[in-house]
Amino acid sequence: DVVMTQTPVSLPVSLGGQASISCRSSQSLVHSNGNTYLHWYLQKPGQSPQLLIYRVSNRFSGVPDRFSGSGSGTDFTLKISRVEPEDLGDYYCLQSTHFPYTFGAGTKLELK
Amino acid sequence: EVQLVESGGGLVQPGRSLKLSCVASGFTFNNYWMTWIRQAPGKGLEWVASITNTGGSTYYPDSVKGRFTISRDNAKSTLYLQMNSLRSEDTATYYCTLKFDYWGQGVMVTVSS
Repeated sequence: DVVMTQTPVSLPVSLGGQASISCRSSQSLVHSNGNTYLHWYLQKPGQSPQLLIYRVSNRFSGVPDRFSGSGSGTDFTLKISRVEPEDLGDYYCLQSTHFPYTFGAGTKLELK
Repeated sequence: EVQLVESGGGLVQPGRSLKLSCVASGFTFNNYWMTWIRQAPGKGLEWVASITNTGGSTYYPDSVKGRFTISRDNAKSTLYLQMNSLRSEDTATYYCTLKFDYWGQGVMVTVSS
């Protein structure tokens, strides 16, 4: 199985500041069709997860441009600039290149 | 607007069965893969099952293979998850998802005697 190592576990930030979350996979996430199926989610307290970024760097509908994704192969990063209160919660990466699909363990973005 | 509404959760004894349903609306259901994902209380996310748009192929992790069955009724725009031989470690909120893009509100399943 592909292991997704997500760091840090907890990330204290100041409002208006920047946050960066890393997700590393135990093998390349490049699919045989050339696409890389690495996605990022935010789960706000008491809510279902919501898709932020799909296939490494594509913002989902309605997601502010403060969120950006980058990376390739086995090393991926989610950056949040100008952090706002509604950005607080648990962030997860997901790989859907290889079965079984696997998630990172999560990063809690909280106020410093 | 995409809507996914799960139902069928509850308290069940170990070894028993439960069937979850997810009614979909706001998109052409029979065009898309569908997936179930679960989250144990206070824990992270775990992929449970996926099904192709026609229902012709299904996929599971080893943790539920042979016990859980995903299915769909495209005429009713409804996704199902039949869960047999339930264990305490299956206790979780179960989410229905359109591919992995849109998620339902989740339904709680508690396996306990």
